[in-house]
Amino acid sequence: GAGVSQSPSNKVTEKGKDVELRCDPISGHTALYWYRQSLGQGLEFLIYFQGNSAPDKSGLPSDRFSAERTGGSVSTLTIQRTQQEDSAVYLCASSIPTSGSGNEQFFGPGTRLTVL
Amino acid sequence: SQQGEEDPQALSIQEGENATMNCSYKTSINNLQWYRQNSGRGLVHLILIRSNEREKHSGRLRVTLDTSKKSSSLLITASRAADTASYFCATQRSGAGSYQLTFGKGTKLSVIP
Repeated sequence: GAGVSQSPSNKVTEKGKDVELRCDPISGHTALYWYRQSLGQGLEFLIYFQGNSAPDKSGLPSDRFSAERTGGSVSTLTIQRTQQEDSAVYLCASSIPTSGSGNEQFFGPGTRLTVL
Repeated sequence: SQQGEEDPQALSIQEGENATMNCSYKTSINNLQWYRQNSGRGLVHLILIRSNEREKHSGRLRVTLDTSKKSSSLLITASRAADTASYFCATQRSGAGSYQLTFGKGTKLSVIP
């Protein structure tokens, strides 16, 4: 079946502009995650959605970052007033609901964001 | 924040040789996972080992976990050029926020044909 898809694959924007990154999880996966991978910080957790529960936004680096998940499926990560330090690869992952023993996450190909 | 630390940071071997990568972590975990990443894009899950397990095999992969030392190793046997990639360990902790993967910095493996 289809894996996690993300769009766009690459995005170049100017400092101060807003950007929207999209993630389509695997059908039937109720858990969705956003991570960011940058040279300086490695792979970092950003936000987690599970079904209709309130998302865990504890990893978002500033209030310029927000995310939503409509209809329990597609998610959009929005970065407002982008800064050069926002340049990174943004990775989305999905999974079946987390069990007590943990779970495997399935990653999309990522969106490479470059802020000029 | 980074929980795991992999070593070595980079490893170059000849095709057919075995590759061993190590990972250390800091806090109590529910499980430890290894992922592979090609060309800085999507991550592919390789194997998950639970905190009550000591060793796990999957094809040419062998993972060990020592919770007393808070460390894990990934062994790839009979390496192939196609194994060239970056390998990351990631942990899931127990309790609140247990769904979150905390990644190490990765080992870049080059397998020379």
